[in-house]
Amino acid sequence: SQQGEEDPQALSIQEGENATMNCSYKTSINNLQWYRQNSGRGLVHLILIRSNEREKHSGRLRVTLDTSKKSSSLLITASRAADTASYFCATDGGSNYQLIWGAGTKLIIKP
Amino acid sequence: EAGVAQSPRYKIIEKRQSVAFWCNPISGHATLYWYQQILGQGPKLLIQFQNNGVVDDSQLPKDRFSAERLKGVDSTLKIQPAKLEDSAVYLCASSLRLPGLAGGGFEQFFGPGTRLTVL
Repeated sequence: SQQGEEDPQALSIQEGENATMNCSYKTSINNLQWYRQNSGRGLVHLILIRSNEREKHSGRLRVTLDTSKKSSSLLITASRAADTASYFCATDGGSNYQLIWGAGTKLIIKP
Repeated sequence: EAGVAQSPRYKIIEKRQSVAFWCNPISGHATLYWYQQILGQGPKLLIQFQNNGVVDDSQLPKDRFSAERLKGVDSTLKIQPAKLEDSAVYLCASSLRLPGLAGGGFEQFFGPGTRLTVL
């Protein structure tokens, strides 16, 4: 079953603009991860945020986590054509650290 | 550092035939996962190994799917017989468990996947 739900399903923006994607989940988690998938590099880990963290940065990426609302957001600043990909959130609330994935947000960066 | 290797990259078979996929995880990674990803969806966990033992296979259709990880390194996933609805990308991932960290959590490294088409 899919726990995470990304919103929007698809997003198209101009290069240089910021892109924001949201993820909602249903049960308590230990941590939440964001991954990117494109045809060139496959599925790649971007960032992990733990349940006791509220915000995390990595380069042009900013992730927030609100455990009271069971939601997370991924912000990509100053987008580039290479950011065109599908972005997935994955939550890890199981005792065996299994990841449960959302359906993803498809991001298109227009030149 | 070499990544997760998978083969074949593409496979086309007819329904009721059998197929096998192979995965070589990153050296030293104790945990190995097989996922099924249907077009337009996120990955769905089929089976998780810790070394050569199965941790979770609750979503593996055991009447037709089987997987093994002999010697705790390479793994194979088999489908026999295949159905039309098995058409998907089969992803293998591995991770290095990080014991002792509060809340656990670790990233998974994915292979390029095998795109299976069942006709």
